[in-house]
Amino acid sequence: DSGVTQTPKHLITATGQRVTLRCSPRSGDLSVYWYQQSLDQGLQFLIQYYNGEERAKGNILERFSAQQFPDLHSELNLSSLELGDSALYFCASSEQSGGESDTQYFGPGTRLTVL
Amino acid sequence: LAKTTQPISMDSYEGQEVNITCSHNNIATNDYITWYQQFPSQGPRFIIQGYKTKVTNEVASLFIPADRKSSTLSLPRVSLSDTAVYYCLVAVNYGGSQGNLIFGKGTKLSVKP
Repeated sequence: DSGVTQTPKHLITATGQRVTLRCSPRSGDLSVYWYQQSLDQGLQFLIQYYNGEERAKGNILERFSAQQFPDLHSELNLSSLELGDSALYFCASSEQSGGESDTQYFGPGTRLTVL
Repeated sequence: LAKTTQPISMDSYEGQEVNITCSHNNIATNDYITWYQQFPSQGPRFIIQGYKTKVTNEVASLFIPADRKSSTLSLPRVSLSDTAVYYCLVAVNYGGSQGNLIFGKGTKLSVKP
């Protein structure tokens, strides 16, 4: 158990809909990262927040947005969903803001299925 | 576009040493190289991280040549429980609106008895 929690574990929805994925980092970690994992694209970095502020942005679509709240939990919002958005979405956390130099602890993921 | 390249799969037998190489030609001067392990239906788990030369911990070693354009993860005496997918991670211009954390496509290691 990494100490990172994600809810829900599974999510099934329809095209055009909007969903929110939630992540709680390990106690004491200030950074939260979001990743998308699909069979054909592998692990894709979406975005990182550090202590409530956006730290780095990767391959995140404009239809997607995220935020980190004062209690450090984070939410990833996915809107106007398309079939191709079906994937595993992982959240990770780390102690500091270093990104690549910090050890990231991954949650169990949320499996999103868009029908 | 920066990318990393790893073998798609590797087979090994219990007790053997396994070396998995990742090429990352565009790694930035100050960036680290990190390897993660992932089992089915789980999130990736940190194995080892390095910047240059050699790093060793209780589970693996990481060899990085002077030009840092590649790295090799070495798993000594693998067991059946080491069957997993292994990813290398590097950063490219990290920070701000153009940075990225680049995971390789992963190497699926199968350890046989």
